[in-house]
Amino acid sequence: DIQMTQSPSSLSASVGDRVTITCRASQSISTYLNWYQQKPGKAPKLLIYAASSLQSGVPSRFSGSGSGTDFTLTISSLQPEDFATYSCQQSYSAPWTFGQGTQMDIK
Amino acid sequence: EVHLLESGGGLVQPGGSLRLSCAASGFTFSNYAMHWVRQAPGKGLEWVSSISADGSITAYTDSVKGRFTFSRDNSKNTLYLQMNSLRAEDAAVYYCAAKREGSSPFDYWGQGTLVTVSS
Repeated sequence: DIQMTQSPSSLSASVGDRVTITCRASQSISTYLNWYQQKPGKAPKLLIYAASSLQSGVPSRFSGSGSGTDFTLTISSLQPEDFATYSCQQSYSAPWTFGQGTQMDIK
Repeated sequence: EVHLLESGGGLVQPGGSLRLSCAASGFTFSNYAMHWVRQAPGKGLEWVSSISADGSITAYTDSVKGRFTFSRDNSKNTLYLQMNSLRAEDAAVYYCAAKREGSSPFDYWGQGTLVTVSS
């Protein structure tokens, strides 16, 4: 199975900050990497697919990059509604695996 | 608008059974492979099982093989997850999710149903 490792596991940030979350795969997954946002008690929401494609309706302050084993999710200017948990997921090969999540809270 | 609505969760004793359902609407259900993904309290997301669009192919994570059975009824746009011999480690929120075949993301998610396994 492909292992997905995110860093950091948690972070504190302020409104307006630029934030970057990293996801590393245990083997090359090309650009088959997706990012989800999850708020407490809610379902995950797809933000970015294929490493860098923005899902329809997702604000442009979210961006993704990377290929192979190393990927990043960047939020250019944090908004109050962005405080949530972010998870990466590989769609290169089954079983589909997720990172452990990065919990972001307000500093 | 897409809706996935899970039901059937609850409290069950170790060794017991539950049947989860997921009712889908707002998209062409029969075009999508469907999945169950779970999240234990305070933990990350874990893929549990999948079923192909036509229901002919299923797959399971190793820890549930032989205990869980995933099925679908495309005439009713509904999924079923029969969970037998439940263990404490199966306790989680179970989400149904829609994913096109191949290397695509999970496009749509339900709100989840909580399964608690405790004596």
